[in-house]
Amino acid sequence: GAGVSQTPSNKVTEKGKYVELRCDPISGHTALYWYRQSLGQGPEFLIYFQGTGAADDSGLPNDRFFAVRPEGSVSTLKIQRTERGDSAVYLCASSSSGQGIGYTFGSGTRLTVV
Amino acid sequence: KQEVTQIPAALSVPEGENLVLNCSFTDSAIYNLQWFRQDPGKGLTSLLLIQSSQREQTSGRLNASLDKSSGRSTLYIAASQPGDSATYLCAVRSGANNLFFGTGTRLTVIP
Repeated sequence: GAGVSQTPSNKVTEKGKYVELRCDPISGHTALYWYRQSLGQGPEFLIYFQGTGAADDSGLPNDRFFAVRPEGSVSTLKIQRTERGDSAVYLCASSSSGQGIGYTFGSGTRLTVV
Repeated sequence: KQEVTQIPAALSVPEGENLVLNCSFTDSAIYNLQWFRQDPGKGLTSLLLIQSSQREQTSGRLNASLDKSSGRSTLYIAASQPGDSATYLCAVRSGANNLFFGTGTRLTVIP
């Protein structure tokens, strides 16, 4: 597609529930990133995919968070046993290979855990 | 770990003024620096990307400079307009495959 698409745009869930957030990157972009932005803060890195594999998952806060990208395009961020502290905007970005290339971000998913 | 600081945290100016937003980073070993704009409740829109070998980039009324050795970048906005009101985020790409963001400058341009 023309841009990075994230769905849903908003998600309200109850504490303890499981949620999935989807990211559809720009066609042909091999690199995909998930970031989390809390209110009043800059985005913080969660995980980076190069192709199908998670090349760097050092930003995932704990084992309740998991992300997959089985075919090297669409990615899903999964959060188990959600907590109120997980409430944030989850942003996805993609880029073509190469460290000199800029990122394109999606509009994000605003997750609210009540 | 790379740390990125943005000053000021908030800025309010009358329409038509020129303004400068500042970004500093602690580790000068970067691949590039990117300025983003974020409107309330929205995602990030890329404004300018400066490679580590470059000194500045320009797009319309925006000009971004990079002094890698001193760990600084500035975003200059000429003839500000109310539509420029947003949060401006600076992000650096270091050796790892991710971006380190500042906390942003919230700009308000008063008509």
